[in-house]
Amino acid sequence: GAVVSQHPSRVICKSGTSVKIECRSLDFQATTMFWYRQFPKQSLMLMATSNEGSKATYEQGVEKDKFLINHASLTLSTLTVTSAHPEDSSFYICSAVRLAGGPNAAADTQYFGPGTRLTVL
Amino acid sequence: EDQVTQSPEALRLQEGESSSLNCSYTVSGLRGLFWYRQDPGKGPEFLFTLYSAGEEKEKERLKATLTKKESFLHITAPKPEDSATYLCAVQEVSGGYNKLIFGAGTRLAVHP
Repeated sequence: GAVVSQHPSRVICKSGTSVKIECRSLDFQATTMFWYRQFPKQSLMLMATSNEGSKATYEQGVEKDKFLINHASLTLSTLTVTSAHPEDSSFYICSAVRLAGGPNAAADTQYFGPGTRLTVL
Repeated sequence: EDQVTQSPEALRLQEGESSSLNCSYTVSGLRGLFWYRQDPGKGPEFLFTLYSAGEEKEKERLKATLTKKESFLHITAPKPEDSATYLCAVQEVSGGYNKLIFGAGTRLAVHP
């Protein structure tokens, strides 16, 4: 199957600082990546859609100035949580959609990264 | 409004006790239905994609089926290592950028 990595896997920061999370598709190219957050015992909540070379599309209620997304290449998207506060503490997960025609993954399937646990003190 | 509902919310099985998880959906046009497995503290792991009613897919002890209104994930003779949360998600024909609509999940616990 397709492999998606996230870095870091866990981060603890002080309130008011910014944190950057990287999402990489390791063995396929992804024009589209997604960012989710997940609270304990709840399902995934889509935050934004990240498209290579263009601006991200944010879901209703998600502050685009707080959650900055950059999709710099076909294998890398980053999420920066700016001026983090304790209420931003959560599990952040990215996914990548394989570019149609690639060799190793089914078309239109989202492959997920392992997640990043953010704790803001 | 488009909706994906999974039942039961939680399921406890004895090892070897087969059962089924349900995912019912209401969307204007289904492009695909996806099943994922999620272990605590990890990202979802892709299991199956189903595209049309009548389709079935199998992987080890799991079999996923699809009708026009729902999907079932059948677990045959489960083992403790099958314990996880199983997520169902649908992709609409009209949805942009392969966006998924997720259900709340079924938490499965298999006891020896």
